[in-house]
Amino acid sequence: AQSVTQPDIHITVSEGASLELRCNYSYGATPYLFWYVQSPGQGLQLLLKYFSGDTLVQGIKGFEAEFKRSQSSFNLRKPSVHWSDAAEYFCAVGPRAGSARQLTFGSGTQLTVLP
Amino acid sequence: ETGVTQSPTHLIKTRGQQVTLRCSSQSGHNTVSWYQQALGQGPQFIFQYYREEENGRGNFPPRFSGLQFPNYSSELNVNALELDDSALYLCASSFRDGTESYGYTFGSGTRLTVV
Repeated sequence: AQSVTQPDIHITVSEGASLELRCNYSYGATPYLFWYVQSPGQGLQLLLKYFSGDTLVQGIKGFEAEFKRSQSSFNLRKPSVHWSDAAEYFCAVGPRAGSARQLTFGSGTQLTVLP
Repeated sequence: ETGVTQSPTHLIKTRGQQVTLRCSSQSGHNTVSWYQQALGQGPQFIFQYYREEENGRGNFPPRFSGLQFPNYSSELNVNALELDDSALYLCASSFRDGTESYGYTFGSGTRLTVV
């Protein structure tokens, strides 16, 4: 069965510092890969996605992620964190085939940004 | 372009009762998916509706059911509520035209509390 692991439940960084959020997945074949962000009381907003091609993917708000097939990882990075980035981040995977493109999410990483 | 609208935003029900949650899809979208997000967890796929039919289901019992209407809006019904059903219920719409799309737009969710 497919699964997504986000090993860091909570990360705290200072504003202006760099950020890396880890994501590992277990899947039968290389899935589609996503990162979402959720602010309190809000739904999920897509930051970026990987379908194919260049393994370094650029997203919104200055985020990027790198797909590493050999490590089954899709880590999210940002070179300089802003206070407004404080939120919960979810990594997700979805099948390349099948009619219902359901997403499997990790349990999330809560990001706190210190001034 | 309107986003995904969910109602109500908050709801308190008693164990054993039934509940109906509603979702209006983003304009132009024809597929609706429902996810359950328990506190401190990532969202879990409940089911998806396309052309008014269930098009995929996660590991949820039959007391979770849904409908999709001709205008692509949707309802999630949960019968015989249990305490563990307390969660944020997220609706996500997308457009499917035969070549699958992961262009999900999520609503802000309905927070259901079962007492």
